[in-house]
Amino acid sequence: GEDVEQSLFLSVREGDSSVINCTYTDSSSTYLYWYKQEPGAGLQLLTYIFSNMDMKQDQRLTVLLNKKDKHLSLRIADTQTGDSAIYFCAARDAGKSTFGDGTTLTVKP
Amino acid sequence: EPEVTQTPSHQVTQMGQEVILRCVPISNHLYFYWYRQILGQKVEFLVSFYNNEISEKSEIFDDQFSVERPDGSNFTLKIRSTKLEDSAMYFCASSDRNSPLHFGNGTRLTVT
Repeated sequence: GEDVEQSLFLSVREGDSSVINCTYTDSSSTYLYWYKQEPGAGLQLLTYIFSNMDMKQDQRLTVLLNKKDKHLSLRIADTQTGDSAIYFCAARDAGKSTFGDGTTLTVKP
Repeated sequence: EPEVTQTPSHQVTQMGQEVILRCVPISNHLYFYWYRQILGQKVEFLVSFYNNEISEKSEIFDDQFSVERPDGSNFTLKIRSTKLEDSAMYFCASSDRNSPLHFGNGTRLTVT
């Protein structure tokens, strides 16, 4: 089955860019997602990209997809303290989505 | 923007009791899912449901679990004879064929 991996922790200073990386194993994954989870809260869909795209930009968020290497990244420009959360990468084929372990982003003032 | 709603937000139950977690998916979505997140751990797939039947389930989703769409709007997860290790956040999600999964805010289940 699909396996999705992420680094567990990232710490940046306010105003810097954050880059969160993710790898997946199933080349038939057609949708790649980024979700944000704040403490005690649900899963908020941040952005997503179809497998036939290389890049998607949405305000401060940029998603890059390297389909050959099965590598996905999320860049957050001008990171703010409110961006501190756990970020989950998820890969979906025709059915369910498989989640990574989540990357805890800490933004220091 | 339409959203997935889950009730209750927190459920406390005694070991061995049955619980029903409720979800109202987004109205025009046809695919429904339950996921589980044990505290501090990853989000785990339990089951997907389409066209009034289970389309896929994980190893976690054993005979203790069942899902139902009793009417046109609700989607429920029943856990029979709860165990301590069933304590977790349970997330419902819905989608259409080509959309991302949209999640509810979850139900925190505490089994004592």
